[in-house]
Amino acid sequence: DQQVKQNSPSLSVQEGRISILNCDYTNSMFDYFLWYKKYPAEGPTFLISISSIKDKNEDGRFTVFLNKSAKHLSLHIVPSQPGDSAVYFCAAIKETSGSRLTFGEGTQLTVNP
Amino acid sequence: DTGVSQDPRHKITKRGQNVTFRCDPISEHNRLYWYRQTLGQGPEFLTYFQNEAQLEKSRLLSDRFSAERPKGSFSTLEIQRTEQGDSAMYLCASSLVAGYSPLHFGNGTRLTVT
Repeated sequence: DQQVKQNSPSLSVQEGRISILNCDYTNSMFDYFLWYKKYPAEGPTFLISISSIKDKNEDGRFTVFLNKSAKHLSLHIVPSQPGDSAVYFCAAIKETSGSRLTFGEGTQLTVNP
Repeated sequence: DTGVSQDPRHKITKRGQNVTFRCDPISEHNRLYWYRQTLGQGPEFLTYFQNEAQLEKSRLLSDRFSAERPKGSFSTLEIQRTEQGDSAMYLCASSLVAGYSPLHFGNGTRLTVT
């Protein structure tokens, strides 16, 4: 039962353009969402998060949008840089689950110079 | 603060052998998590501790797996009678007990069972 789904295994964009990574979830009990970035041979690192009571959160080049009615969130990176090339994981939490994250499968982002 | 540390980074073992991994969390973090990641998948939750108490175990954690956090600091994950299907990256993470505190992950232990 894949409760958090990232349907695009890979995405390629040009440097300076916008990268949009998408994520869908099925469990309406999720109330907090996070994006993690992972480089090869390293563990995931926290990027940005959003509470279910908000629809947007911005941090520098990174913005996360949440559409609760559609059970959909997206991560926008603008402008994209070659150093952003990594696997991006969407994750979700239920308040009652002790910060246990449920992850999507990940999207490999490649930013071409 | 050097972050979450895991040892070893790589482990190759033969089927049927036992292996043990260690995780040292960020010192002030009360919660410690173990996740497993296989190729092309996101990390899957295995178990977590708050201080020394193991509060939840996933159904993925068969009885061949055992985790401990004896003094509420470092943790060990042991796999007995390893199987080829246990080959994966084992990730440890820690966090504060404070609302939605993000998890900080270590670089993982890659297990290969031959």
